[in-house]
Parts: sequence; C-alpha cells; structure tokens
Amino acid sequence: AQSVTQPDIHITVSEGASLELRCNYSYGATPYLFWYVQSPGQGLQLLLKYFSGDTLVQGIKGFEAEFKRSQSSFNLRKPSVHWSDAAEYFCAVYSGAGSYQLTFGKGTKLSVIP
Amino acid sequence: NAGVTQTPKFRILKIGQSMTLQCTQDMNHNYMYWYRQDPGMGLKLIYYSVGAGITDKGEVPNGYNVSRSTTEDFPLRLELAAPSQTSVYFCASSYRTGGDYEQYFGPGTRLTVT
Repeated sequence: AQSVTQPDIHITVSEGASLELRCNYSYGATPYLFWYVQSPGQGLQLLLKYFSGDTLVQGIKGFEAEFKRSQSSFNLRKPSVHWSDAAEYFCAVYSGAGSYQLTFGKGTKLSVIP
Repeated sequence: NAGVTQTPKFRILKIGQSMTLQCTQDMNHNYMYWYRQDPGMGLKLIYYSVGAGITDKGEVPNGYNVSRSTTEDFPLRLELAAPSQTSVYFCASSYRTGGDYEQYFGPGTRLTVT
C-alpha cells in the first residue's frame, strides 16, 4: 500500500526567508502527488499536483514542487515566505489503478515570524 | 458556486447519541468523500461514493454510515457516538476519481464526544 511521510511536524521561518517542506512517498509505480494547504479553521485547498511530464511543477500562491523519482520525494518550496503562508501543509498520493483513496501525510505546520 | 458546504460547523455529543453530518456540493460532481482528521494524523477516508445510490467503505468506516440519494448530498451518520469519534470531519467531492481530478474540500465539522 502507498504511504506518505512528512518528516517535519512543525517548521518556523522568518518572513521573506525561503521555505522547503519535505515529502517522501512509497509507491511502486509513478504516483499522482499533491500538496494541499489548510489555513486555521478552513478546509484543504490544492496548491499543486504532479502526475507526469516536467518534474518541476508550479502551483498557486508562488509555490513550486519538484518530483524526484530516485529519492521518492516531492518537496514543496517557496523562495520568499509571507506571513499569510502560515498554515498546515499536507502531501498526498493517489495510487490510481481503480483506487479512490488519497493517502495523506500527517502534515507540517508552518509558523512565520514577522 | 458555493462549492462544498458542511453543517454544522461545531457539535458536542454525549456518548451514545446519534447525529448526521450534512454535506452538499453544487458542482455536479459524481464522486464524494468523507474524511476524518485527527491531530497529527493527517486525513483518513471513512466512506466514499461514486454516484447517487452507490457508496463504499474507506479506510476507517467503523461506527459510521452513509447514503447518497442525490448527486448533491452525501450525509454521514454516527449512530452511537463514542469518544474515539471526536475529530474534525471533512467532506470532499471530485468530478471523477483519479489524479487528474482535484478533490474539493468543505470547511469541516468539528465534533466532540464526551
């Protein structure tokens, strides 16, 4: 079965600093990979997704992620963090092949220092 | 479009009580999902539906029931509430299943069972 690991439970960065959130997946074939963001008290919003093609994908709000098959990783990056980026971020994998389930990581909470 | 709406936003139940969490989407999506989110645990799929009249179990279905009489509505029923069901519940929908199709999430229902 597929799984997703987000090694960092909580990350704190200063406003204007760069950000990288880590995500590792376990799946035999090429997976469909997603990053969602959850602001406090809100539902989840899709930031970006990857399922084929260019391994560097651009998303909303200035985020990007890079798929690295050799490392089974799909890390999320942003060059300059804004205070409004403070939220919880979830990496998810969809295995396809008739599966209806998105498998989520446990999330990384991002705090931004002014 | 309102997207995915959920009611209520908050609810406190006593052990053994029952309740229905409501979910409605106005995007004419065929697929609907119920997830629960526990602190530090990511999201787990409870039930899903591929269309009106068709539902199936997800990863953690015990203690819950669902029905899908219309395309728009997908209520989640708790028959005998237990403290282990204290969680945040999210409803989601997608046009089809698969990595190409984004799941849209509602704002969630925070349930406490005491």
